[in-house]
Amino acid sequence: EAQVTQNPRYLITVTGKKLTVTCSQNMNHEYMSWYRQDPGLGLRQIYYSMNVEVTDKGDVPEGYKVSRKEKRNFPLILESPSPNQTSLYFCASLRVGGDTQYFGPGTRLTVL
Amino acid sequence: RKEVEQDPGPFNVPEGATVAFNCTYSNSASQSFFWYRQDCRKEPKLLMSVYSSGNEDGRFTAQLNRASQYISLLIRDSKLSDSATYLCVVNWDAGGTSYGKLTFGQGTILTVHP
Repeated sequence: EAQVTQNPRYLITVTGKKLTVTCSQNMNHEYMSWYRQDPGLGLRQIYYSMNVEVTDKGDVPEGYKVSRKEKRNFPLILESPSPNQTSLYFCASLRVGGDTQYFGPGTRLTVL
Repeated sequence: RKEVEQDPGPFNVPEGATVAFNCTYSNSASQSFFWYRQDCRKEPKLLMSVYSSGNEDGRFTAQLNRASQYISLLIRDSKLSDSATYLCVVNWDAGGTSYGKLTFGQGTILTVHP
């Protein structure tokens, strides 16, 4: 089954404790992206990647890092999480030339 | 001014009604336009792309007005299952495809009641 998976789905952590949210897709898509969704602000792009070893900033990259060492994986790293990073995070992938972005199920992160 | 703006609603309509959503965008270089649907606490899913000539998919019709920089979504004969948040998405990647830098509107909430 074609899908985008994210782990963990729910995470409660404390300020400053490094964490990684994993994202994996099994569709051999070149493009992957991370978004955060907050009430009243909608979905905002954090980082995206056009292919392996090619990443670029979206609208809200501060406080986040990403890497794209393999085509299927695109982890989101929070080196020192802060409470303003409490949000719902979505990973997405897309075949270059295609129309449809496939989203993962979301990761609800709470930073205390 | 937000780059992509939608009326957040909520829109409450009876079954069978016709409802229309508009979305305005600020970047005239925008290339690609989409409507996504998001159910409560779920991931967004593509509803339809929006083409310059307008396009229809069953009960759903999307229109693009480049001169006025807005796109619209019309839903005819609303069903209970249409209740969701509808997200307007704009991309201005020079390649004209849907990758690159995407900007989402904040979404319009639709509730269809019996």
